[in-house]
Amino acid sequence: DAGITQSPRHKVTETGTPVTLRCHQTENHRYMYWYRQDPGHGLRLIHYSYGVKDTDKGEVSDGYSVSRSKTEDFLLTLESATSSQTSVYFCAISDRDRTNNEQFFGPGTRLTVL
Amino acid sequence: GENVEQHPSTLSVQEGDSAVIKCTYSDSASNYFPWYKQELGKRPQLIIDIRSNVGEKKDQRIAVTLNKTAKHFSLHITETQPEDSAVYFCAATPRDDKIIFGKGTRLHILP
Repeated sequence: DAGITQSPRHKVTETGTPVTLRCHQTENHRYMYWYRQDPGHGLRLIHYSYGVKDTDKGEVSDGYSVSRSKTEDFLLTLESATSSQTSVYFCAISDRDRTNNEQFFGPGTRLTVL
Repeated sequence: GENVEQHPSTLSVQEGDSAVIKCTYSDSASNYFPWYKQELGKRPQLIIDIRSNVGEKKDQRIAVTLNKTAKHFSLHITETQPEDSAVYFCAATPRDDKIIFGKGTRLHILP
């Protein structure tokens, strides 16, 4: 697997609390992505980054914010978690200049909001 | 924005038979179409991809076909084996830095 890790791998939290998920890569890839995966919905893009401090919204960005202060880290923040944000979150990286858009996924974070 | 439809949502085939999964896309600007496989409890991984200047691509038992005019593409798996059981996702790229996924097909290989 590409050098990509996610932390934490599992988290249980309560409605209304802030949550930050971290994605860390050692591949020096330019692009980083956050997806959520839910039964019947496949993989839906939340936010992505095309460089340090450069981010853009995906399909389901409401309720989420991101930050990328350095190449290797991409943070996803739920300012006030809701039960509808219970999901498995995947980070992905790509470097389209070298690998033709292939995205490499992290191991995932299972988030439960009670 | 781009919309990717994938069918069927579930597919069961006898071991040794072929499996076909079909996808359609809406944005004619999309030019890259990857397929990802996700085994139970694992992360998605790329298995094959095709660019819009190619009509078909094969890699051993898997192949992908693309019809740009009709905006649809398909994954074909021949001589299916138990290890082919997984969820398969098609995707399209409306822009070079963004990939939109279909909802996935759960493939069961029956003994």
